[in-house]
Amino acid sequence: AQSVTQLDSQVPVFEEAPVELRCNYSSSVSVYLFWYVQYPNQGLQLLLKYLSGSTLVKGINGFEAEFNKSQTSFHLRKPSVHISDTAEYFCAVRKSYNTDKLIFGTGTRLQVFP
Amino acid sequence: NAGVTQTPKFQVLKTGQSMTLQCAQDMNHNSMYWYRQDPGMGLRLIYYSASEGTTDKGEVPNGYNVSRLNKREFSLRLESAAPSQTSVYFCASCGAGVAETQYFGPGTRLLVL
Repeated sequence: AQSVTQLDSQVPVFEEAPVELRCNYSSSVSVYLFWYVQYPNQGLQLLLKYLSGSTLVKGINGFEAEFNKSQTSFHLRKPSVHISDTAEYFCAVRKSYNTDKLIFGTGTRLQVFP
Repeated sequence: NAGVTQTPKFQVLKTGQSMTLQCAQDMNHNSMYWYRQDPGMGLRLIYYSASEGTTDKGEVPNGYNVSRLNKREFSLRLESAAPSQTSVYFCASCGAGVAETQYFGPGTRLLVL
């Protein structure tokens, strides 16, 4: 079975500072990895995904993530955050090469201060 | 394209009442899912349907039933609501390809008194 750990429940950061949201996963088979963002009182929307190929994945709104197989990590980064990035971020994993269900982490609340 | 729609947006129930949460998607997706979101617990899968006519239990199915009415619609029923079912419920759908991602509805906020 797969599992996802997001160690940081909250990450406060000042506007224009860089940020990294950590995600580690556990799986005995190869996986696809996803980051979703949830703005207040909204549903989840996809930020980016890693399926195969280049380990550095670029997503929407200037976010990127790097897949590190040896460390079983998929950390999300942004070099300069905006107030509008304040949201909850979820990392998720799914078995590769099938349409099995997603397993979500518990989420990281990013709070950007002016 | 409306994507994934959910009704109602908000609902207050008394313990023991029943209700059905509705979900519909217009993307011709095969798979549909129901999640609940609770503080500090992320999203947990309640039930899912890999195709029309099939449903399977997820991580937290107790107290819920589902119906995949047709390819577009997937409903979630609470037969006898309990305060522990106070949560935000999300429906999602996904296409058939292995590289497909899940698309989420806006959620239903349910309070059980």
